[in-house]
Amino acid sequence: DIQLTQSPSFLSASVGDRVTITCRASQGISSYLAWYQQKPGEAPKLLIYAASTLQRGAPSRFSGSGSGTEFTLTISSLQPEDFATYYCQQLNSYPYTFGQGTKLEI
Amino acid sequence: EVQLLESGGGLVQPGGSLRLSCAASGFTFSSYAMSWVRQAPGKGLEWVSSISGSGGNSYYADSVKGRFTISRDNSRNVLYLQMNSLRAEDTAVYSCARTVRGAISGVNWFDPWGQGTLVTVSS
Repeated sequence: DIQLTQSPSFLSASVGDRVTITCRASQGISSYLAWYQQKPGEAPKLLIYAASTLQRGAPSRFSGSGSGTEFTLTISSLQPEDFATYYCQQLNSYPYTFGQGTKLEI
Repeated sequence: EVQLLESGGGLVQPGGSLRLSCAASGFTFSSYAMSWVRQAPGKGLEWVSSISGSGGNSYYADSVKGRFTISRDNSRNVLYLQMNSLRAEDTAVYSCARTVRGAISGVNWFDPWGQGTLVTVSS
């Protein structure tokens, strides 16, 4: 199985900050990676697919990059509504594993 | 508007069974693979199972293989998850998600997700 390790697990930041979350895969997954945002009590929401493609409707301050085993999600200027938990997911092969999550806090 | 609505959750004793449903609307259901994902209280996301659009292929996490069965009724636009031999560690919110495949890239992603239904396994 492909393991995904996100870092950091917790991130404290302020409105206006630029933040980066890293997701490392235990083996190469090409660009078969998605990023989701989840707020308490809500369903996860797709932000990025194919490692770097912004989902329609997602704010342009979100961007994704990487290929192979190392990926990043960057928020260029944090807004109050961005404080949430972020997950990466590999869809290269079954089982479709998720990273453990990164909780972004004020 | 694409909508997914789960139902069927509840309290069940260890060793019991439950069948979850996910009613889909707003898209051509049979054209998409579908998946179940669960989230234990206070924990992260765990992929559970996926099924192809035709229903001919299905995949399972090792943690549920042999106990859970995913299926779909394309005539009624409903996805199912039959859960047998339930354990305490199966306690979670179970959500269904549409599995989208990029036409050019061939890359998959989950969008959208339903709100989920809570399954509690306890005596």
